[in-house]
This record gives sequence, structure tokens and C-alpha cells, in this order.
Amino acid sequence: AQTVTQSQPEMSVQEAETVTLSCTYDTSESDYYLFWYKQPPSRQMILVIRQEAYKQQNATENRFSVNFQKAAKSFSLKISDSQLGDAAMYFCAYKWGSQGNLIFGKGTKLSVKP
Amino acid sequence: GAGVSQSPRYKVAKRGQDVALRCDPISGHVSLFWYQQALGQGPEFLTYFQNEAQLDKSGLPSDRFFAERPEGSVSTLKIQRTQQEDSAVYLCASSLVEGALSDTQYFGPGTRLTVL
Repeated sequence: AQTVTQSQPEMSVQEAETVTLSCTYDTSESDYYLFWYKQPPSRQMILVIRQEAYKQQNATENRFSVNFQKAAKSFSLKISDSQLGDAAMYFCAYKWGSQGNLIFGKGTKLSVKP
Repeated sequence: GAGVSQSPRYKVAKRGQDVALRCDPISGHVSLFWYQQALGQGPEFLTYFQNEAQLDKSGLPSDRFFAERPEGSVSTLKIQRTQQEDSAVYLCASSLVEGALSDTQYFGPGTRLTVL
């Protein structure tokens, strides 16, 4: 069965600093997608970044980048120049197959200190 | 355009009552998903629609849960005879195409259900 594990329930970062959130997953599939979603206190999930398993190059979106290690089944999120608005729950998610429902980790609560 | 909307945002039910939760997906989106998010947990898949067809309901926790999307747009998740363990946030998500691995899911704000 596919599983997603986020081992850091909470993380804290100083404003303008860099933080890395960890995610590992387990799958026997060869083609799949990985995602990081942000869920602010208002609860609406927002897509931060995504990565296709077949792509070697790590995805980047402005201050957000991933370190995708396919052999190790690791997919960490790096947030550079952290801002107060980055404070939220961050969920790592996995998707495979033709249907495409997401499998989520338990999340990491990120706090940003001014 | 408008995003995914859900109503009500908050629902309090007495144990044993029936509830209905509504999801309005982004216009034109073919795929619609329901997820259940317990407190302090990540969302868990409940069911999936492709237009009006319910293609997967493997995540529904019991036969008290029922979902429909009769015209391929608005969807309703119904929970009969609610129990305390049903208390959670129910999230709806839609995506543009069917069966595309690369397709992004857009989430609604969720409905927080509290069963007393």
C-alpha cells in the first residue's frame, strides 16, 4: 500500500531564513506525482509545488524548491527567505494511476518567527 | 473564475441526525473528490466522481455515507445517523480532466462537522 510519512509534526523558522520540511513515501509504482500543499488556518488547501517521478530535475517555484530522491523515496520541501505568510500546515501528497486521488501525510505545522 | 465552494462551512449535528454537505466545483471540472480530515491529520480519500459517475467509493467509512453528483456538477455528501466519530472537516476538490496523473486538484474551504 502507498503511504506518505512526514516525520516532523512541527517546525519553526526565523523570518528570512531557510527551512526544509521532510517527506518520505512508499510505493511500488513507477509513474506518479508528488505534491506539497499548504493549508493556512482558513483551511483552504493551496498547491505549493509538484514533481513528476520521471523528471530528474527538482521542481522550483519562486522561494519553494524540492529535493526529490527517487531511489530513497524522499521528497523534501525547502522554503527560502521565509515570510510570515508562510506559516501554515504543510502536507506532502502522492498521486498515482488513472484515477488520481491523493494520499496525504499527517502534515507539518510551520511557524515563522518575526 | 470562482474556486471550489462548499456549504455550510460549519455544521453541528446531534448524534443520530442526518446531514448533507454541498460542494460546488470549478465550472467545467470533470473530476470531483471528497476527503475527510480528522483533527490533526491529513485528508483521507472518501470518494471520486468523473462527471456524474461515481467511479470509486472505496474510502467511504460505512454505509451511512452516501455521495452523489447527479448532473455532473454540484455534489452532495450525505451522512445518515451521524456518530461522534464522524466529526471532521470534509473537503471537496475538483480537477479539470479525467484520469490525468498530472492534473491539479483544487480544494474548497471545507465543511467542519461537529457531532454532539
